[in-house]
Amino acid sequence: EVQLLESGGGLVQPGGSLRLSCAASGFTFSRYAMNWVRQPPGKGLEWVSSISTSGSSTYYADSVNGRFTISRDHSKNTLYLQMSSLRAEDTALYYCAKFRSANPDAFEIWGQGTMVIVSS
Amino acid sequence: DIQMTQSPSTLSASVGDRVTITCRASQSITTWLAWYQQKPGKAPKVLIYHASSLESGVPSRFSGSGSGTEFTLTISSLQPDDFATYYCQQYDSYSLTFGPGTKVDIK
Repeated sequence: EVQLLESGGGLVQPGGSLRLSCAASGFTFSRYAMNWVRQPPGKGLEWVSSISTSGSSTYYADSVNGRFTISRDHSKNTLYLQMSSLRAEDTALYYCAKFRSANPDAFEIWGQGTMVIVSS
Repeated sequence: DIQMTQSPSTLSASVGDRVTITCRASQSITTWLAWYQQKPGKAPKVLIYHASSLESGVPSRFSGSGSGTEFTLTISSLQPDDFATYYCQQYDSYSLTFGPGTKVDIK
């Protein structure tokens, strides 16, 4: 069964840092570009970041560019999102999502999400 | 960035109704468009990709059409399980963008 399992969310103060992880299973992780998508409470979906199959190309929404870093570890089949200089507006449920292919595509598989709350 | 809009924002319908949701892109995205269904407390689920391709396992009452800047999601006969929020999403170019969503509720 294809599965994505996020972890690492929690309560953090403004200006703080947090690292999210997404453990992938049931598919060949290295063959697919991977993503983070977030959803603030009661609001819509926002794409956050994508990473190519090799990890050599990364892409970010303007709202997080320069503060967040996406990475992947093929030996652990794990996707990461390092978040720094966190702001109240980063409060959201963060989903890990797999593209249907190696290229930009529909998000075929989603995790259950991990909640990040930025508050003093 | 490519902006996505959806209409209506809320739709009240009855079981058995034919439902159509429209999504518009601020510039041409050819057919690089997906549709998702999201229920409260759950992750989104892909219904349609490449504007009109039905994802495996999705009921055939769902269909998508369109190209360029205007797209539609149609539910041919609304079922109780279909009351949810629907989002379109373009993947023509980074940054990827979603529409604001259309909530389908019970009339």
